[in-house]
Amino acid sequence: QVQLVQSGPEVKKPGSSVKVSCKTSGGPFNIHLVSWVRQAPGQGLEWMGGTIPIFHTADYARKFKDRVTITADESTNTAYMELIDVRSEDTAVYYCTRDPLGGRDYTNYIDYWGPGTLVTVSS
Amino acid sequence: VMTQSPASLSVSPGDKATLSCRASQSVSNNLAWYQQKPGQAPRLLIHGTSTRATGVPDRFSGSGSGTDFTLTISSLQSEDFAVYYCQQYNDPPRTFGQGTRVEI
Repeated sequence: QVQLVQSGPEVKKPGSSVKVSCKTSGGPFNIHLVSWVRQAPGQGLEWMGGTIPIFHTADYARKFKDRVTITADESTNTAYMELIDVRSEDTAVYYCTRDPLGGRDYTNYIDYWGPGTLVTVSS
Repeated sequence: VMTQSPASLSVSPGDKATLSCRASQSVSNNLAWYQQKPGQAPRLLIHGTSTRATGVPDRFSGSGSGTDFTLTISSLQSEDFAVYYCQQYNDPPRTFGQGTRVEI
């Protein structure tokens, strides 16, 4: 049974950075695309970017390209999402997700979701 | 751009619900549906337009191709009241619709 366990809620000041972790278990880690999807309060879902750990590569949505870094540590089966220069509009639940195999160009459907991490940006 | 309609749908238990998702350009059959209940992460219902994910009841069915897709819930149960999102994965980056809320 695949499980994605995320780090706890964060409260950040505008202009600071936040780093959220996602530890996976129950299945191979490094060959699946691990992505981050966020959901602002009362809003829809927005893909931010993802990484395939075995390739040590990442791809990002254009909107987040300058502020997000997604990395993975194969030794601990953990993925990370760091968002810099946060602003109030970044207040959201951030989901770690995993794609099944067989996608292309960093796009596929999502078969597993983490529980989400609430990041609140407030002065 | 993925556009879902209606934004919300009021139905009674036992009713049939039909949710629509339209893509601004063809996504072939690379379309998934997710269910999200309050305070929970989304859950995969359907991928490849019509393939139910493991454990999804057969009252959920998906259809369509190209730009127009439908999620049908044949007989709504109490646990089906939730928000439903479609997502295309034909062209990167993957994009989601804005959701349809199914309420009592």
